[in-house]
Amino acid sequence: GQSLEQPSEVTAVEGAIVQINCTYQTSGFYGLSWYQQHDGGAPTFLSYNGLDGLEETGRFSSFLSRSDSYGYLLLQELQMKDSASYFCAVRFHYGQNFVFGPGTRLSVLP
Amino acid sequence: EAGVTQFPSHSVIEKGQTVTLRCDPISGHDNLYWYRRVMGKEIKFLLHFVKESKQDESGMPNNRFLAERTGGTYSTLKVQPAELEDSGVYFCASSQATEQPDEQYFGPGTRLTVT
Repeated sequence: GQSLEQPSEVTAVEGAIVQINCTYQTSGFYGLSWYQQHDGGAPTFLSYNGLDGLEETGRFSSFLSRSDSYGYLLLQELQMKDSASYFCAVRFHYGQNFVFGPGTRLSVLP
Repeated sequence: EAGVTQFPSHSVIEKGQTVTLRCDPISGHDNLYWYRRVMGKEIKFLLHFVKESKQDESGMPNNRFLAERTGGTYSTLKVQPAELEDSGVYFCASSQATEQPDEQYFGPGTRLTVT
């Protein structure tokens, strides 16, 4: 089957660095995407890894290793506004639909 | 540029009733997706339109759910008759890309409560 796993909750303080992991038991997907969702809001696209390696976008970086079936989102210089849920997602070759992970709720403390 | 809009933002109906959700994608976006998030759980794919055609409806839970996208513009998702387990937030998303990365733009969602 297709499944993605993420930690349910992560807590960190302002200014810190936090890594949110995403592991999967599947194959044949295009790449790994990350979305952020604030409470009551819509998911918003953060980053995409089509190839193995690190992609950097400002304070956010994302990493993918297909050989290890593993990816992560790295958030640096945490701010209070980063408190939200973060979802990893993949699209598969043989279909067009997206599969989302269960989400990680990040709480940033002062 | 206007984003993805959804209507209504909230809907409370009784079991057995019918509800129709509407999604207006970003103008020019051929791809339109419906998702559902049940309280605290993952975002589940329901179906995908490319223009007016259903590309993939493998996520539709059962035949009580009917989605349409007439003319390839806005889309509707009808639930008839609604059951308690249909409660959740229904998101619509649209995208323009046919190649990866497929950055999807989500609407604010419709919170459906079936009592």
